Amino acid sequence: EIVLTQSPGTLSLSPGERATLSCRASQSVNSNYLAWYQQKPGQAPRLLIHGASSRATGIPDRFSGSGSGTDFTLTISRLEPEDFAVYHCQQYGTLPPTFGHGTKVEIK
Amino acid sequence: QVQLQESGPGLVKPSETLSLTCNVSGGSISSYYWSWIRQPPGKGLEWIGYIYYSGSTNYNPSLKSRVTISVDTSKNHFSLKLSSVTAADTAVYYCGRHAGGWRGEIDYWGQGTLVTVSS
Repeated sequence: EIVLTQSPGTLSLSPGERATLSCRASQSVNSNYLAWYQQKPGQAPRLLIHGASSRATGIPDRFSGSGSGTDFTLTISRLEPEDFAVYHCQQYGTLPPTFGHGTKVEIK
Repeated sequence: QVQLQESGPGLVKPSETLSLTCNVSGGSISSYYWSWIRQPPGKGLEWIGYIYYSGSTNYNPSLKSRVTISVDTSKNHFSLKLSSVTAADTAVYYCGRHAGGWRGEIDYWGQGTLVTVSS
């Protein structure tokens, strides 16, 4: 199975700052079938990005995804208070679909 | 607006079978793939398996010997059975809808239900 490694484990930033999250795959992700999800405590994950760079419906444009092959990035251009959460990447191009262990973005 | 809701016992004894149902409302279960995903406390997400509305399935090899997913289109729901559970199966269990085919991101999620395995 494809192993996804997310870094850093925790990112401590202030509102208004830029957040850059990394997701590295153990082998190439098929056709960039890579998604990013946001998860807040006690809530289900929410889809942010699919196809590595396409924003899901209703997602603000401060969220952007990039990358291909084995290296992917989620960027939050200016952190809003509601953006402090855990972010998971997922590849869904190869069975079994797999998730990274998550990056926690916390308030500095 | 599609909504998913998991239901089932919150406590299961070791060696018994965990059974959950995901009720789909606001849309038809037909023509989509549907997955079960779990998250142990404080840990990451793990895909358990998917089912197509026609009944075809695919399971995570790590759980395949213990998992059965089924669908009832007349009731617009699908179900998960996980046998011979241990404490390692304690997790929040989510159901979700694939946006496209099986190669689809999960665009709709249930709220999740915590299942604890304990005697």
